[in-house]
Parts: sequence; structure tokens; C-alpha cells
Amino acid sequence: QLQLQESGSGLVKPSQTLSLTCAVSGGSISSGVYSWSWIRQPPGKGLEWIGYIYHSGSTYYNPSLKSRVTISVDRSKNQFSLKVSSVTAADTAVYYCASLLTAIQAFDYWGQGTLVTVSS
Amino acid sequence: EIVMTQSPATLSVSPGEGATLSCRASQSVSSNLAWYQQKPGQAPRLLIYGASTRAAGIPARFSGSGSGTEFTLTISSLQSEDFAVYYCQQYNNWPPGYTFGQGTKLEIK
Repeated sequence: QLQLQESGSGLVKPSQTLSLTCAVSGGSISSGVYSWSWIRQPPGKGLEWIGYIYHSGSTYYNPSLKSRVTISVDRSKNQFSLKVSSVTAADTAVYYCASLLTAIQAFDYWGQGTLVTVSS
Repeated sequence: EIVMTQSPATLSVSPGEGATLSCRASQSVSSNLAWYQQKPGQAPRLLIYGASTRAAGIPARFSGSGSGTEFTLTISSLQSEDFAVYYCQQYNNWPPGYTFGQGTKLEIK
């Protein structure tokens, strides 16, 4: 079964760029069975889908974040990444990477999550 | 954007009893609806997809129903490990998009 593991900076200054990586094991990131997603959860709040990258490299983003978000894939390392530019305190959240099983359009495997705090 | 509204916000139930959680979509999402369980400090876990199909390894006491705009997650005979926050999530065909409800906290009465 798939395993996903987030890594990256836990503290980012306002106006800078948040960068996270998700390492995938137990399966190939090039598989057409999955799309690779990022989801975030502000402390004490609900879940917000950020976007995903398809095995073809196509990306789709939440319209509310689209202008600031980039998701990319590194097939040689079997991992995918998230960048969010011009961050503010509102971007403080636990960030999860997750696999979106294309056939059922649901997130079936999740990383454990990583807290990113935006603060000077 | 399709808005998902869950009710109630908090549900207090005794172990061994059943619980019914509701999720309403602001417009029809057909059967493109999933349910997740989240415990404190953990990632969400997929319970139900396609409105009514249990994910692998999910006990039979969890069941989902509904289509269009009204959906229900039913948990029969609550176990101690079932007390958690539950989220519904819809899938929009085009443009691709996924929105979650605000969650229902299921707590021990």
C-alpha cells in the first residue's frame, strides 16, 4: 500500500514562499491510477483542498489559491512538491499530501501532515 | 463553488447507540460524495466513497446513503474508537474541484 511523507520548512516569514515535498513509497508516482494532492487544515478548523497534479503533469488548483500555488512532480525521486507564494498568517495550517484515487475521486492515502507556521 | 454543510456541528451519543450525521450540498453532486474520519493529531481516514461504498477495511457498522444534495453517514452501535470528527467531501466534475464540509464532532455522552 502507498505511504506518503511530507517534509519541508515548518516556519515561513510573511510574504515569502512556503515549500513542501511529499515522498511516495509503495507505488509509482507515474501511475495513472492516482493524482497527487495537497490539502491543508488551519489549526482547529476544517479541510481545504489546495490542488493536485495528474500523472500526465496536468495540474488543477483551488480557484481561491490558484494565483499563489504551484504543484510539481519529480519522477526520478518519486515525489511531488507544493509551493505557496506571498504567504500570510492565514496560510498557517497543517499541510497534508494525499493520493486521489482516480476511479473513486476520493483521497485514500494521506501523509501524517506537517504544521507550517507563518510568522516573522 | 459548491458549499457542503454538515449538521449537527456536535453530536453527543452514548457508546453502543447509533449516530446519524448529515451533509447537504448547495447543488447536486450526484453520488460524488465521500466521508472521512479524523481523530486528534491524525490525518483523515477515508470511510465511504460514491456516497455509499465502504472503503477497504472499514467496519460494516459504517454506512452511507443519499444522492443529489442530501447525504447521511450512519454509525450503528458506536464503539469507543468511533468518537472523532467526521467530514464529508464532494467531487466536482469540471472544473475539477473538491470541497469539504466543516465537520461534525461526534463526542461521548
